[in-house]
Amino acid sequence: QKEVEQDPGPLSVPEGAIVSLNCTYSNSAFQYFMWYRQYSRKGPELLMYTYSSGNKEDGRFTAQVDKSSKYISLFIRDSQPSDSATYLCAMRKGLTGGGNKLTFGTGTQLKVEL
Amino acid sequence: SQTIHQWPATLVQPVGSPLSLECTVEGTSNPNLYWYRQAAGRGLQLLFYSVGIGQISSEVPQNLSASRPQDRQFILSSKKLLLSDSGFYLCAWRRTGSSYEQYFGPGTRLTVT
Repeated sequence: QKEVEQDPGPLSVPEGAIVSLNCTYSNSAFQYFMWYRQYSRKGPELLMYTYSSGNKEDGRFTAQVDKSSKYISLFIRDSQPSDSATYLCAMRKGLTGGGNKLTFGTGTQLKVEL
Repeated sequence: SQTIHQWPATLVQPVGSPLSLECTVEGTSNPNLYWYRQAAGRGLQLLFYSVGIGQISSEVPQNLSASRPQDRQFILSSKKLLLSDSGFYLCAWRRTGSSYEQYFGPGTRLTVT
């Protein structure tokens, strides 16, 4: 079983829709959570990061963490065609040292259609 | 501001040939540096990371090696490429002593033929 599971999609939605992207994880040692956006043939770009359970909002993006269920989500409101990309979740264990390694999901491909 | 560079952007190499990919970071000192490989449907696989000059940790036994000859330079190498080395190679950096976010470069797409 992978430590981090993410539905690969593809997910296709109409412009203006609310998008929900999700990851589940199996190891309760994960304490820090991130979402990256990756356009085709580009490096991933950090969108949001959070530590606590609950919601964190940044513009049209909301990151949600439920540590009790080992479940994280990224919501995109009023989705735009420019949001079409692959979204990767990433997480880090709450341990010092070891290079602060991240564990990534496989990514969800999102397409927002006009 | 900090920027990260990778080159070349694309590379086509025959099996058995050597490889050298370079990554440099500007605008920060003593960053943690990382090499990842991304294959379709498999997410990002951490290959190497470095917390300082000459300090390299390997995550996956393989045909590749890494070196950090200068504080903000990270090099990925191979003596003899295999077909399975094809993929999208990403370099990332993290600011030492602060939080945990990693920032990625533009990547190198390697095709081994």
